[in-house]
Amino acid sequence: SQTIHQWPATLVQPVGSPLSLECTVEGTSNPNLYWYRQAAGRGLQLLFYSVGIGQISSEVPQNLSASRPQDRQFILSSKKLLLSDSGFYLCAWRTPGRYEQYFGPGTRLTVT
Amino acid sequence: DQQVKQNSPSLSVQEGRISILNCDYTNSMFDYFLWYKKYPAEGPTFLISISSIKDKNEDGRFTVFLNKSAKHLSLHIVPSQPGDSAVYFCAANFFGNEKLTFGTGTRLTIIP
Repeated sequence: SQTIHQWPATLVQPVGSPLSLECTVEGTSNPNLYWYRQAAGRGLQLLFYSVGIGQISSEVPQNLSASRPQDRQFILSSKKLLLSDSGFYLCAWRTPGRYEQYFGPGTRLTVT
Repeated sequence: DQQVKQNSPSLSVQEGRISILNCDYTNSMFDYFLWYKKYPAEGPTFLISISSIKDKNEDGRFTVFLNKSAKHLSLHIVPSQPGDSAVYFCAANFFGNEKLTFGTGTRLTIIP
């Protein structure tokens, strides 16, 4: 069966510090991968998605970037965090050709 | 432009009664619809989906109804249980599109 991992689970970072969140998927090949953010009391905002290694599509221009160095690894990064980057970050995967996305457990990021 | 709308931010239902969550969409290209359930500090969990060629799909206590002419779908939970208390997101997609479009969510509270 497929599983998706995200780490860390929680993170507290000062403004201006760098960020690296990692997501890995097991039990599937060539998944589509997604990064979402949920701000406090808000819905799900799609940040980036990837249909293959090295292929990144950005949905919202902002302080973040994403990379996919391996088939089942998706990384969310920032060089300098802003207070507005605080939120709950979710990684998701999908089998190409199917509609359902499956989410990881999330990372709670607090920028202080 | 919010293409998928959940107009009720919250809903309270007595335990054992029926919970009905509603979702409206505007994009006629959507041909597949999904419901997700989300607990605080966790990733959303896929619940149930429906293709536009159907008007009803049932899975245990959960039934999704689709009214294409009204561009409306609903999720029925019968009977409602305390563990159903969560935020419910509807989502939509169309063939060939890599992304899900999510609604803003409805917080369901089941009253014991």
